[in-house]
Amino acid sequence: DVKVTQSSRYLVKRTGEKVFLECVQDMDHENMFWYRQDPGLGLRLIYFSYDVKMKEKGDIPEGYSVSREKKERFSLILESASTNQTSMYLCASSLGTGWMNTEAFFGQGTRLTVV
Amino acid sequence: DQQVKQNSPSLSVQEGRISILNCDYTNSMFDYFLWYKKYPAEGPTFLISISSIKDKNEDGRFTVFLNKSAKHLSLHIVPSQPGDSAVYFCAASGGSYIPTFGRGTSLIVHP
Repeated sequence: DVKVTQSSRYLVKRTGEKVFLECVQDMDHENMFWYRQDPGLGLRLIYFSYDVKMKEKGDIPEGYSVSREKKERFSLILESASTNQTSMYLCASSLGTGWMNTEAFFGQGTRLTVV
Repeated sequence: DQQVKQNSPSLSVQEGRISILNCDYTNSMFDYFLWYKKYPAEGPTFLISISSIKDKNEDGRFTVFLNKSAKHLSLHIVPSQPGDSAVYFCAASGGSYIPTFGRGTSLIVHP
């Protein structure tokens, strides 16, 4: 069965901390994504990666960076956490670049609170 | 500017009746459309999809209709069940593998 696993379900961090959110997929998918979900704003794309060491900015990359050193792992980094980064973070992966392959599989989410 | 719009933030339906969730899009390049379902504190799960070469796709109680000329799609759930209560996201893609999501519609199915 397809699986995307995020390292934490809940995190509480202090303002100014560097925060790492980890995501692992076991499906050999090419593409991986980080979204944040906020009430009334839906799912907003932060960064995505279509290959190892490749990354592209999404719609809201400010304050975030990412790392993909291995195909199965995609990390989201908050360089200096701020309270406006309190949110639900969702990692996803998808198979390839063909239009039939855009079904994304999501992890369970990480609820991050920055205090 | 939103390219995928779900104009109803919430929908309330009686158990056994039909639920109709709507989605509009503005980008003519979109050619593949998906619906996801999300329960609280969980990640979204894929529900059903449709390509632009079709105007209807069914999977059990779920049917998606696509009207390309109106740039509109809808998800029908018949009959609705209390377990269908969730947030439903419409997504679209075209020319790339990156789906664009709407803001979601919260469906509540009353017993």
